[in-house]
Amino acid sequence: DGGITQSPKYLFRKEGQNVTLSCEQNLNHDAMYWYRQDPGQGLRLIYYSQIVNDFQKGDIAEGYSVSREKKESFPLTVTSAQKNPTAFYLCASSPLGASGRTDTQYFGPGTRLTVL
Amino acid sequence: GQQLNQSPQSMFIQEGEDVSMNCTSSSIFNTWLWYKQDPGEGPVLLIALYKAGELTSNGRLTAQFGITRKDSFLNISASIPSDVGIYFCAGRPCGGGNNRKLIWGLGTSLAVNP
Repeated sequence: DGGITQSPKYLFRKEGQNVTLSCEQNLNHDAMYWYRQDPGQGLRLIYYSQIVNDFQKGDIAEGYSVSREKKESFPLTVTSAQKNPTAFYLCASSPLGASGRTDTQYFGPGTRLTVL
Repeated sequence: GQQLNQSPQSMFIQEGEDVSMNCTSSSIFNTWLWYKQDPGEGPVLLIALYKAGELTSNGRLTAQFGITRKDSFLNISASIPSDVGIYFCAGRPCGGGNNRKLIWGLGTSLAVNP
């Protein structure tokens, strides 16, 4: 089955520790995205990547880092510099090209991170 | 960052009623997307719109890309309990070039009374 997987579903960490969230897709999509979701605030873009070995900051990149070494994978690290890391994290992907249909993003099931 | 104005913020309806929600923007968009999110899950794409004036249906759902390119609406007919969830609109502004960032609404929370 083609799709986007995120693991784990729930993650607990102590304050001050870095933590890496996994995102893998087998849709052969070029672009991948990381969003953070807090209650009542919708989806906020953290980082995105349109091609391997390249990525751009989104609206709330501070305290986060990413890598894009393979087309299928786009891991997100929540560093100790992120002041309020407890949130629901969503990964998405989309194809690239000239057609407007490449704007459509498809989401993984999410990872709920709780920092104690 | 920029956000879409999505309304209403929440709705509580009786099973069988029709539902309407909309999103507006101050700038013109070239794509409108509607998603549904169940609690603790990722958003699922319902309908994608790519052309001004386009009207698209997906079962009991119908969405339209506003002719001004600054708005979109989603209608759900004959609601059922499994329609419960949060509905998000998203779109890509014109003039973004190769930038594929979407702008998101804050969601409409729908509750259905059986």
